[in-house]
Amino acid sequence: DAGVIQSPRHEVTEMGQEVTLRCKPISGHNSLFWYRQTMMRGLELLIYFNNNVPIDDSGMPEDRFSAKMPNASFSTLKIQPSEPRDSAVYFCASSSDTGFEAFFGQGTRLTVV
Amino acid sequence: AQSVTQLDSQVPVFEEAPVELRCNYSSSVSVYLFWYVQYPNQGLQLLLKYLSGSTLVKGINGFEAEFNKSQTSFHLRKPSVHISDTAEYFCAVSLASGGSYIPTFGRGTSLIVHP
Repeated sequence: DAGVIQSPRHEVTEMGQEVTLRCKPISGHNSLFWYRQTMMRGLELLIYFNNNVPIDDSGMPEDRFSAKMPNASFSTLKIQPSEPRDSAVYFCASSSDTGFEAFFGQGTRLTVV
Repeated sequence: AQSVTQLDSQVPVFEEAPVELRCNYSSSVSVYLFWYVQYPNQGLQLLLKYLSGSTLVKGINGFEAEFNKSQTSFHLRKPSVHISDTAEYFCAVSLASGGSYIPTFGRGTSLIVHP
């Protein structure tokens, strides 16, 4: 398996623009997590899905953030409109219901100018 | 609620010296514990995990960790480090919730290995 695949790896956008981050989890995994990593706050869990259903989105910082998982092999995290303080590395991770560890993608480094 | 405390934000060490990265957790129920490593510009990869059984767990790259329930600790150790071990290390605890095991991470410890 290729592991968790995220795209794009880098994104630079202007304040106010819409940004969409994409994630393909490992085949057969039924849990998917979106994390944000910053120097100030470390790794924060934004939202997680189980069997494509959002379970807990209490970590999503504002209504500008939204996430979807239309099927078992694809998820998106959208920021609209983006702001400079959204600049961070965003990670997607997945896990199976028979395992306990999460497998991470390479991350998307987002810079909002 | 669960939380993870990594007591050192940065640990400098010379090559071939031993190292210990400290991690304490708080949880009201049984936990599963993990150490992940993050190399620059990469995602997190699993070093080792404790689920049950022997309290001493061995992982990749010569690392090991010991689960101590009475001290609620899960410290990571390596007897002799290499330059290539320079990276960020994260301790994590997982609890079951909504059909998933949700990892909660510490703030990370930057291991810097000097020649």
